[in-house]
Amino acid sequence: EDQVTQSPEALRLQEGESSSLNCSYTVSGLRGLFWYRQDPGKGPEFLFTLYSAGEEKEKERLKATLTKKESFLHITAPKPEDSATYLCAVHGQAAGNKLTFGGGTRVLVKP
Amino acid sequence: KAGVTQTPRYLIKTRGQQVTLSCSPISGHRSVSWYQQTPGQGLQFLFEYFSETQRNKGNFPGRFSGRQFSNSRSEMNVSTLELGDSALYLCASRGEETQYFGPGTRLLVL
Repeated sequence: EDQVTQSPEALRLQEGESSSLNCSYTVSGLRGLFWYRQDPGKGPEFLFTLYSAGEEKEKERLKATLTKKESFLHITAPKPEDSATYLCAVHGQAAGNKLTFGGGTRVLVKP
Repeated sequence: KAGVTQTPRYLIKTRGQQVTLSCSPISGHRSVSWYQQTPGQGLQFLFEYFSETQRNKGNFPGRFSGRQFSNSRSEMNVSTLELGDSALYLCASRGEETQYFGPGTRLLVL
């Protein structure tokens, strides 16, 4: 069964203080690894899809990277509006279209 | 393109009642998945529908069911509600790159 573990559970940052979020996964045949952002009371908002080890994607202050066992979401010089819960999910070959999610990392960026 | 829409946004029910939630996917998307999100268990997969057929099901009791219509709109139903069914229910429609989520329906069971 596919499994995803995210760390840390929570992260408090000062504005401008860069950091990284970790997503460790086990999956039988990775079809894709996804990062989402979720604000309180809202549905997850798609950020990135990564398909193979070594792949990197960037969007504004966010950069996602992928290895065979984990993915990192790097937040560079964060702003208060980057405060959210960041969710990692995997899509395995044996899972149909089911996504398996980690527990998320709650990020708070203080001005 | 309009995003995924879900109705209602909020519901309060009592134990033993049943509830039906609705989801309209992004135009042109034929696959709809449902997830339950709770503070303790996180996001868990309920089921997926494609072209009116259930293709995949998660580990939830038979009280949770769903269906999809010919226009790809989907409904999920929960019968004999329990307190533990209180959650955010999310619908996702599948595009080429990923699944796109709606705003969710917040269900509170008293």
